[in-house]
Amino acid sequence: GQQLNQSPQSMFIQEGEDVSMNCTSSSIFNTWLWYKQDPGEGPVLLIALYKAGELTSNGRLTAQFGITRKDSFLNISASIPSDVGIYFCAGHDGNQFYFGTGTSLTVIP
Amino acid sequence: DAGVTQSPTHLIKTRGQHVTLRCSPISGHKSVSWYQQVLGQGPQFIFQYYEKEERGRGNFPDRFSARQFPNYSSELNVNALLLGDSALYLCASSWWGLPTDTQYFGPGTRLTVL
Repeated sequence: GQQLNQSPQSMFIQEGEDVSMNCTSSSIFNTWLWYKQDPGEGPVLLIALYKAGELTSNGRLTAQFGITRKDSFLNISASIPSDVGIYFCAGHDGNQFYFGTGTSLTVIP
Repeated sequence: DAGVTQSPTHLIKTRGQHVTLRCSPISGHKSVSWYQQVLGQGPQFIFQYYEKEERGRGNFPDRFSARQFPNYSSELNVNALLLGDSALYLCASSWWGLPTDTQYFGPGTRLTVL
């Protein structure tokens, strides 16, 4: 099945730094979602985007639905230790959700 | 309120065997979806059920089947297990199963095939 290309694959940052990650697809999506997954748990929804060009924030997190509908971006400002985890993008093409390959984030105190 | 629950938590099977995984959705949610997450990858969609009817199927072989019961709980069955079926199997529930509904994931069942 299709997997979205997510980058970077992993990030090691200092506490307080900002983080950016993105997700691209060869197909057009109608919905873009961003999830965080902690070890031993299922993914938890962070932000949902439903319209091309939409920019949405959730606390220190901001995500954008690319105008081409083939990409999305997630930014985390002023990272803290509890931001550690794996971040996944997901897109819906009208039939099903496809997930990205994940970005592993490590925050160094 | 209880979240999505899955059982068992862990399971070890041998090649060729059959396995049944179970999922109880959040109370009131009518849709359940199943995903396979291989180590180091993102979840891959297997099935979606809404009101006991299959609404969507991903690119998985016929060895994978599922059903949803009148109480909206669901089972995922996998026959003739292969080594490559080793993965975390995630269940997610939502109110109506629409792309705009928030999906709530369970903690998953870790299946190891030897």
